[in-house]
Amino acid sequence: NAGVTQTPKFRVLKTGQSMTLLCAQDMNHEYMYWYRQDPGMGLRLIHYSVGEGTTAKGEVPDGYNVSRLKKQNFLLGLESAAPSQTSVYFCASSDARGGTQYFGPGTRLLVL
Amino acid sequence: GNSVTQMEGPVTLSEEAFLTINCTYTATGYPSLFWYVQYPGEGLQLLLKATKADDKGSNKGFEATYRKETTSFHLEKGSVQVSDSAVYFCALSDRSNDYKLSFGAGTTVTVRA
Repeated sequence: NAGVTQTPKFRVLKTGQSMTLLCAQDMNHEYMYWYRQDPGMGLRLIHYSVGEGTTAKGEVPDGYNVSRLKKQNFLLGLESAAPSQTSVYFCASSDARGGTQYFGPGTRLLVL
Repeated sequence: GNSVTQMEGPVTLSEEAFLTINCTYTATGYPSLFWYVQYPGEGLQLLLKATKADDKGSNKGFEATYRKETTSFHLEKGSVQVSDSAVYFCALSDRSNDYKLSFGAGTTVTVRA
């Protein structure tokens, strides 16, 4: 049982480049989340999904897009990366609204 | 809106010392409260939680009591080990925010042998 996995683990981008971060969960959870973690700011919610085919904005959605085409996968896209998007990105899933969230190991992104 | 305030770190302790990390919250409703822990190089994992006033959450020797009168959820452990070195996050979820988690800034704890 892998839980929540994230791909890639680390990536370096140049300003203006695009990329997609992949999150996969094998727990059949309905809810999935993308967070970014920055020093001194805790985790901030970027986007989330309450089920296959749904997405919603979180606290800091600008510059990001997401898709949930399959229940087990939640993709986070950066269309034109900016240095301000340098961060550690975490994906999480839960089986219910307000339920315990299970986190992936994170993706460290550096935008030059 | 909802918010969580944690004591600033970093915190450095010797093995077997007492650990306390303060956490206070602001919420419009009756939130559930959580402590998450992040070990080096890993994602966050739930340490303990409490869903109503006066509930005590406990796990791995850590405890926290939901105090509605002081809007607090302080984390305590009586005797820390080197393996407790991690970043600790206090968080809340509330119906008014569609049960999304609001996190504190995190407190880095280092335990020395």
